[in-house]
Amino acid sequence: QKEVEQDPGPLSVPEGAIVSLNCTYSNSAFQYFMWYRQYSRKGPELLMYTYSSGNKEDGRFTAQVDKSSKYISLFIRDSQPSDSATYLCAMKETSYDKVIFGPGTSLSVIP
Amino acid sequence: GEEVAQTPKHLVRGEGQKAKLYCAPIKGHSYVFWYQQVLKNEFKFLISFQNENVFDETGMPKERFSAKCLPNSPCSLEIQATKLEDSAVYFCASSQLIHPGSDTEAFFGQGTRLTVV
Repeated sequence: QKEVEQDPGPLSVPEGAIVSLNCTYSNSAFQYFMWYRQYSRKGPELLMYTYSSGNKEDGRFTAQVDKSSKYISLFIRDSQPSDSATYLCAMKETSYDKVIFGPGTSLSVIP
Repeated sequence: GEEVAQTPKHLVRGEGQKAKLYCAPIKGHSYVFWYQQVLKNEFKFLISFQNENVFDETGMPKERFSAKCLPNSPCSLEIQATKLEDSAVYFCASSQLIHPGSDTEAFFGQGTRLTVV
């Protein structure tokens, strides 16, 4: 079993839709949870950063962490074609630890 | 600089040749991480540095891979005697730890695409 599981997709939605992306993990020591966006042939770009359980909102993006279920989510409201990318969940045990990535979900937002 | 700079962007090596990749972290960042991304996804952690000291090398294949971060020089990742399976995009990231528990965003470079033929 991989340490972090994520549905690879591809996920295709119409413009304006709400997108839900999810990851599950097995290591209960993870405390820091992140979502990265990666465009083709580019490096990952941090979207959301959450410590421990709870919700965090930033514009059209909302991240949720449920440590009791070992489950994290990213919601994208009013999705735009520019949101088309691969979304990687990521997590780490301590603030200076290596980041463990999920395999990524490929998202296409169709105009 | 304000971005992680990786060179070269592309590198082609014949099987058995040496490959050397470079990473200049963001100025003031004390942590550097190297990752290998095979087949477009599946990031694999290789090694991290705190300044010039190896911090975590649990992901490094010991036989052919080595890395350094020396003062006043770009960090480097070297692969001796490359194999076909080393073909991947190698990403470098840097971060600045303010204090434990703080947001420590890891900024990624654009990667070096290594193709072993």
